[in-house]
Amino acid sequence: DIQMTQSPSILSASVGDTVTITCRASQTISPWLAWYQHKPGKAPKLLIYKASNLQSGVPSRFSGSGSGTEFTLTISSLQPDDFATYYCQQYNTYSHSFGQGTKLEIK
Amino acid sequence: QITLKESGPTLVKPTQTLTLTCTVSGFSLSTSGVGVGWIRQPPGKALEWLALIYWDDDKRYSPSLKSRLTITKDTSKNQVVLTMTNMDPADTATYYCAHGGGRYAYGNWGQGTLVTVSS
Repeated sequence: DIQMTQSPSILSASVGDTVTITCRASQTISPWLAWYQHKPGKAPKLLIYKASNLQSGVPSRFSGSGSGTEFTLTISSLQPDDFATYYCQQYNTYSHSFGQGTKLEIK
Repeated sequence: QITLKESGPTLVKPTQTLTLTCTVSGFSLSTSGVGVGWIRQPPGKALEWLALIYWDDDKRYSPSLKSRLTITKDTSKNQVVLTMTNMDPADTATYYCAHGGGRYAYGNWGQGTLVTVSS
């Protein structure tokens, strides 16, 4: 079973900042890595698939990169609507595990 | 437009079996490449992937829950059903179904349904 580890667990930032969230897999999963945004009471929203592909309709300030076992989600010029919890997910193997989440909060 | 909607009991007793139904529209469960998965989120905790079924009836399960889960589909009814046996209060969570699981990850999700396990 592949373990996904995100860092940091909590990230404090201000509107206009650029932030980066890291996700590490316990074994190679490239390129089958997705990023989701999740807000309380809402369904998770797919942002990035296959490590770096922007889902249709997602603002271009979201970008993903990485390969092998290490991946990053970068959010440029943070907007008020971006404060949420972010999850990475690997879908390379038999089971599709999530990271533990990164809560992006307003500083 | 792809939509998914979860349905099932909101309250189950410990040791009971939970049955959840995901009713889909905007796509066919028999179309090549299509998958529907189940994901849950206990209150205050992270998302947890549970199971996935593909158009060809290929099934995948979380290793830690495999012994308790069964996923099936009824193409004629546009439904995917998840059963979880021996429910425990730790299984209290919002349960989501989602379209995908293939190369494009999970792009469409249902609204989720909260299931509470309590006597």
